[in-house]
Amino acid sequence: AQRVTQPEKLLSVFKGAPVELKCNYSYSGSPELFWYVQYSRQRLQLLLRHISRESIKGFTADLNKGETSFHLKKPFAQEEDSAMYYCALKIQGAQKLVFGQGTRLTINP
Amino acid sequence: DGGITQSPKYLFRKEGQNVTLSCEQNLNHDAMYWYRQDPGQGLRLIYYSQIVNDFQKGDIAEGYSVSREKKESFPLTVTSAQKNPTAFYLCASSSRQRHTEAFFGQGTRLTVV
Repeated sequence: AQRVTQPEKLLSVFKGAPVELKCNYSYSGSPELFWYVQYSRQRLQLLLRHISRESIKGFTADLNKGETSFHLKKPFAQEEDSAMYYCALKIQGAQKLVFGQGTRLTINP
Repeated sequence: DGGITQSPKYLFRKEGQNVTLSCEQNLNHDAMYWYRQDPGQGLRLIYYSQIVNDFQKGDIAEGYSVSREKKESFPLTVTSAQKNPTAFYLCASSSRQRHTEAFFGQGTRLTVV
């Protein structure tokens, strides 16, 4: 079965420190992976997708098919990064979109 | 103003009653989704639909039903068979093209008393 696992429910780091939010997936086909973010009192929205290989708000994520991982990283955390982060896997063809349990990131001043 | 709209924002129902949550989109998206969001459990997929007149069960479909009679609309009914219906419900839609993102509504908080 397709599954997304985010092992950390809570993550707290100091401003300026590096951040890594972990995501592992289980899927036998070619994955489409995304990171979504939910800021306080805002809608869930896309942060980045693996196919773009770009940096958004300083965040990057690399797909590692050997380790079936898609970890989200930022070298220097900012207070405005505090939010709920979800990793998501889309199954092409079926259009099924599954999410991990989410990680609440808190950046301390 | 394009987007995806869920209504109502808050909903209260008595135990044993069915209730229907509305989700409408004007993004011309084929795929639509319903999720349940509970603290510490992330977003769990209830139902999804690839196209009009078609829908599939997600991971926690028991006690829920949906319909997809129009491309723009994907209502979710929470039936009396759902054992723990009090939750925050999120609707989303996306294009069927590869690597496209999903767009989310603002959610409906259902409280069953």
